[in-house]
Amino acid sequence: GDSVTQMEGPVTLSEEACLTINCTYTATGYPSLFWYVQYPGEGLQLLLKATKADDKGSNKGFEATYRKETTSFHLEKGSVQVSDSAVYFCALTITGGGNKLTFGTGTQLKVEL
Amino acid sequence: DAGITQSPRHKVTETGTPVTLRCHQTENHRYMYWYRQDPGHGLRLIHYSYGVKDTDKGEVSDGYSVSRSKTEDFLLTLESATSSQTSVYFCAIEREIADTQYFGPGTRLTVL
Repeated sequence: GDSVTQMEGPVTLSEEACLTINCTYTATGYPSLFWYVQYPGEGLQLLLKATKADDKGSNKGFEATYRKETTSFHLEKGSVQVSDSAVYFCALTITGGGNKLTFGTGTQLKVEL
Repeated sequence: DAGITQSPRHKVTETGTPVTLRCHQTENHRYMYWYRQDPGHGLRLIHYSYGVKDTDKGEVSDGYSVSRSKTEDFLLTLESATSSQTSVYFCAIEREIADTQYFGPGTRLTVL
């Protein structure tokens, strides 16, 4: 079946450090890939998405590139802020598969001054 | 803001009691989803709907039922709540033009 694997957290960084959160996937069809962010006490917000190989999604300084050859969609940011502290979820949906999302387990990011 | 509300936002109940959670949308989307969020599992799909009276099971549907009698409302029912159903429940809609799901604020359910 379809699955998403994320790196274990929590990840603790100092402000202005570089961030990479790894995400790999297995899929039975042609997936679209997503990163969602959950701030403390809130619901999930879409951060970025990519729908085909080599697409790059970007938003709020975050980027992720859809790598079909390595089945990966790693989340990156060049300089994190305290306000980026949240839980980040990688997810996929299969085109034409009822659009059900399959999520990774989430990675908690803590950014300190 | 995707125009999704969930009620109640918090609920504490006892084992064996029925519980209904409501998801309401204002944008008239066809697809709606119920997920549960648990530590170490991310979010898992419980049930989804692709139209009025059209629903299907997800990955973790045992112990849950759903109904959709109007486009704007999608109800999740726990017929007889168990402690294993203590969780945070999220509703989502799909904006078809964007092929992307957007989530409500969640309901925290505690079953004692």
